[in-house]
Amino acid sequence: DSGVTQTPKHLITATGQRVTLRCSPRSGDLSVYWYQQSLDQGLQFLIQYYNGEERAKGNILERFSAQQFPDLHSELNLSSLELGDSALYFCASSEVLGAGTYNEQFFGPGTRLTVL
Amino acid sequence: TQLLEQSPQFLSIQEGENLTVYCNSSSVFSSLQWYRQEPGEGPVLLVTVVTGGEVKKLKRLTFQFGDARKDSSLHITAAQPGDTGLYLCAGVDTGRRALTFGSGTRLQVQP
Repeated sequence: DSGVTQTPKHLITATGQRVTLRCSPRSGDLSVYWYQQSLDQGLQFLIQYYNGEERAKGNILERFSAQQFPDLHSELNLSSLELGDSALYFCASSEVLGAGTYNEQFFGPGTRLTVL
Repeated sequence: TQLLEQSPQFLSIQEGENLTVYCNSSSVFSSLQWYRQEPGEGPVLLVTVVTGGEVKKLKRLTFQFGDARKDSSLHITAAQPGDTGLYLCAGVDTGRRALTFGSGTRLQVQP
């Protein structure tokens, strides 16, 4: 158990809909990262927050957004869903700001999103 | 865009065999991490290699970072069924603050 929790574990929805994925980081971790894992694209970095502020953006679509709340939990919002958005979405947390040399990211169990 | 290519993509071997997984890039990374991911779970960090030419051992797993810090390898000696999983290398670029993951090697060890 990494200490990172994600809900829901599974989500099935239809094209055009909007969903919210939730992540609670390990106790004390200020950084939260979101990743998307699909069969054809592998594990891709989406976005990072540190202590409530956005700090880095990766391959995140404009239809997707995220935020980190004062209690440090984070939500990833996916809207106007398309079939291609079906994937595993992982949240990871770390103590400090960046993916520094010795900075370990702890991954949650993921949310499996299926868009029908 | 920094890319990490892993090879092979799939590997199915018998228990007791040795294997090597490669992770190659055209870019230099400040360090490189190896993760293992099991079905239904998130990746778990195995090791971080920092210095060019560095070799780290974790029981039957040996990790090496290339001299130029562009490539890495993972060698497993006497593989066991418990080694089955998806192995991912990830480049650490302090400038980007995020991990760049390789394409992954799916290993299956048959008893």
